Amino acid sequence: GAGVSQTPSNKVTEKGKYVELRCDPISGHTALYWYRQSLGQGPEFLIYFQGTGAADDSGLPNDRFFAVRPEGSVSTLKIQRTERGDSAVYLCASSLGEGAEEQFFGPGTRLTVL
Amino acid sequence: AQSVAQPEDQVNVAEGNPLTVKCTYSVSGNPYLFWYVQYPNRGLQFLLKYITGDNLVKGSYGFEAEFNKSQTSFHLKKPSALVSDSALYFCAVRDIWGGYQKVTFGTGTKLQVIP
Repeated sequence: GAGVSQTPSNKVTEKGKYVELRCDPISGHTALYWYRQSLGQGPEFLIYFQGTGAADDSGLPNDRFFAVRPEGSVSTLKIQRTERGDSAVYLCASSLGEGAEEQFFGPGTRLTVL
Repeated sequence: AQSVAQPEDQVNVAEGNPLTVKCTYSVSGNPYLFWYVQYPNRGLQFLLKYITGDNLVKGSYGFEAEFNKSQTSFHLKKPSALVSDSALYFCAVRDIWGGYQKVTFGTGTKLQVIP
């Protein structure tokens, strides 16, 4: 079956620009997570959705980062006024529910801010 | 706050030998614990999880992990390593009483199985 997909796979942008990263979760998965992974580090939690609502956005580093999931399926991570420090691989994961359920990860979007 | 520590950046083991990848955690309440594996140029994949019950849990590819509450550890083990097990392994924790939904990952341990 289809797994979690993320687009684009690579994104190069200039400092100060706006970017959108898209995640298509596994059909029927109500929980969706965004993570950021820098080289040599583990995934760093950004935000968690249960359905359409952001149940926990405590990991968003500042107000330049925002994410939506308007219909409870596809999610978009939006970064305004990008900075070089935003360069990382952005991972999306989905799961059947919350709590004990394991997450299924997408391949990630590699963001490079020049 | 919840946290995970993977004290070894890299573990080297000879093929056919048993392997252990260490993980310790810190939570306010009771934990859900997970192991994930990341192969080169591939996404993170779930290996196994501990929720409750038997402290020894078995997962994919012959891996198992032992939950030790007194030592707050959840070490990953395999009786006989394969070269194909070489990958990056991540331990993760969720505090089920913390009121948070976040999952915290460790920094990862690179496993190198030597033929």
